[in-house]
Amino acid sequence: AQKITQTQPGMFVQEKEAVTLDCTYDTSDQSYGLFWYKQPSSGEMIFLIYQGSYDEQNATEGRYSLNFQKARKSANLVISASQLGDSAMYFCAMREGYTGNQFYFGTGTSLTVIP
Amino acid sequence: GAVVSQHPSWVICKSGTSVKIECRSLDFQATTMFWYRQFPKQSLMLMATSNEGSKATYEQGVEKDKFLINHASLTLSTLTVTSAHPEDSSFYICSGRLGNLGYEQYFGPGTRLTVT
Repeated sequence: AQKITQTQPGMFVQEKEAVTLDCTYDTSDQSYGLFWYKQPSSGEMIFLIYQGSYDEQNATEGRYSLNFQKARKSANLVISASQLGDSAMYFCAMREGYTGNQFYFGTGTSLTVIP
Repeated sequence: GAVVSQHPSWVICKSGTSVKIECRSLDFQATTMFWYRQFPKQSLMLMATSNEGSKATYEQGVEKDKFLINHASLTLSTLTVTSAHPEDSSFYICSGRLGNLGYEQYFGPGTRLTVT
């Protein structure tokens, strides 16, 4: 079974609108971490936001927020007030255990912001 | 934030030659470094995990004799693609982890390898 599932290969959003990128995960560990990364065409992986499995509140970082629904095993990324520079690939990732080395990445969602 | 660099950023080599890619953590000590491979429009696939001073742990299906990894210091890891073939052409990304309890990986900018 896939550890991380991103079901939206491509998404479009109007500039200044909000967009939600879906991510579901599969783990039997109680302790895990969820991450979102942005990869622009240059290829660099840019860390956006982190949610620990024991964190009770949803993580927020500026225009990024993570809608963490533990019972549903989902960790959707919400980008508010989209900007043209947000056009990129977005990857959801999970690390099992607090000290685990293995990062599991989803297949990514290509976001295009339309002016 | 922690910065990881990779050198070179892109390389073209002839089939049969070897290529070395360097990954450096510039402002932190990376006890553990990771090497990923990414094909166009696909996700990152972990190739191996390296700890400073010890042998790398390779993921299933990754040829350790072809992809030599050396983690010589807390700030430097190298990946050598030996006897490269066109199918080795890919985007290689390294990342470093802060100590043993850091929860985050910091990624380098990647190296695009093209084997002709």
